Formats: sequence, structure tokens, C-alpha cells
Amino acid sequence: DVKVTQSSRYLVKRTGEKVFLECVQDMDHENMFWYRQDPGLGLRLIYFSYDVKMKEKGDIPEGYSVSREKKERFSLILESASTNQTSMYLCASRGQGSTFSGANVLTFGAGSRLTVL
Amino acid sequence: AQSVTQLGSHVSVSEGALVLLRCNYSSSVPPYLFWYVQYPNQGLQLLLKYTSAATLVKGINGFEAEFKKSETSFHLTKPSAHMSDAAEYFCAVRDVNDYKLSFGAGTTVTVRA
Repeated sequence: DVKVTQSSRYLVKRTGEKVFLECVQDMDHENMFWYRQDPGLGLRLIYFSYDVKMKEKGDIPEGYSVSREKKERFSLILESASTNQTSMYLCASRGQGSTFSGANVLTFGAGSRLTVL
Repeated sequence: AQSVTQLGSHVSVSEGALVLLRCNYSSSVPPYLFWYVQYPNQGLQLLLKYTSAATLVKGINGFEAEFKKSETSFHLTKPSAHMSDAAEYFCAVRDVNDYKLSFGAGTTVTVRA
């Protein structure tokens, strides 16, 4: 089974701090995603990466950046955390097939719950 | 871009009763459709998916969903609820030639003993 591991389950940071959320997958997937989950809003896509060093903005990229230096690792960066970034962050990856076709499913990590004070 | 509407943010059912969760999507072209479940303090797990084969799709844990093109719907059902079905359920849609998966707002299911 594909495993997607998010390094931190719970984080508490202060406003203005730089925050790194790490995600690692172990099945050589090309595509990786960062979503943000908020009550009543479902999941919203922050960034998507379709290959090493390649990224595309999702629906809500403002205040976030990402890094994908190795295929298995996709990092979400909050350059200067703000209270409105308090949320659950979910990483996901998707398996073989071309980037823009196929019904391959996303496999999710357990999530990282970030609180910004 | 696709949009997904889940009717009802909370559903409460008795153990043994029918579970019905409603999902409608926006596109006139049949997309790929998914239902995911999230148990407390966990990530999302796939329940089932529709990929233009059979319109009635069976998933894990006794769930199934029916794709109805005329209604642009993909409602999720389970004939008999179990206490372990208490969770949040998300409908998601993706256009055939797009990378992006769009999620509904989610429906929280509570099961009463």
C-alpha cells in the first residue's frame, strides 16, 4: 500500500514564524498535492506538483510556497504564519498514469493540524 | 472548473437505518467522481469511484453510489448503518483531462444507538 507520511501531526506556532510542513510518499508517485481543510469548506487545493521541481498553484496559494527537490518529498512553507492559516493541512499523492488523465485516486496522509497564535 | 455540492452538513441516523448522502456536480460532461471518508484524527480514505463504467458503483464497508447523468448526481448510500460509520464524508469530482480534484464541503454522519 502507498504510504503518505506527514512529519508533524500537531504544531503550534506564533504569528510571523516560518513554518515547514513535510510530506513523504514511498511509492514513486509523480503527483503530489497540498490541501487545506476547514470546517464547512471541505478541502481546498493550495499547490500541486507534477514532477521534481515542478509546481502549480491551486485555488488558495496566497501566503504559501512549496518545494519539491526530490520525488518522494513535497514540502509546504508558510513564510510568515498568520492566525488565518490555523487549519488542518493534508498532503496527498497520486500514482501512475499521465498527469492529466486517468482516474487514479489520491492517497492522503494523516494530516498536520497547525495552530498559529 | 468543476464544483461539488453536498446537501446537508450533518446527517444523523439510527443504527440499522439507511444512510443517504447527497452529492451533485456542476459539469454537463461526465467527470470522474469519488467518495472519501475521514474518521476522527485521520486522513481521507477512498470509499469508491466512478470512472464511466457501471453507473452503480460498489465500495468498501457496504457503501455504494449511483451515477445519474440526467440529475448530475452521485449520491452515496448504505442500507444499514453501523456505529463505525460515524465519520465525515466527502464527495469529489475531477474532469477527465484535469489534474485537479474538487471537494464538496463534507457531510458529518452521526449514528445513534
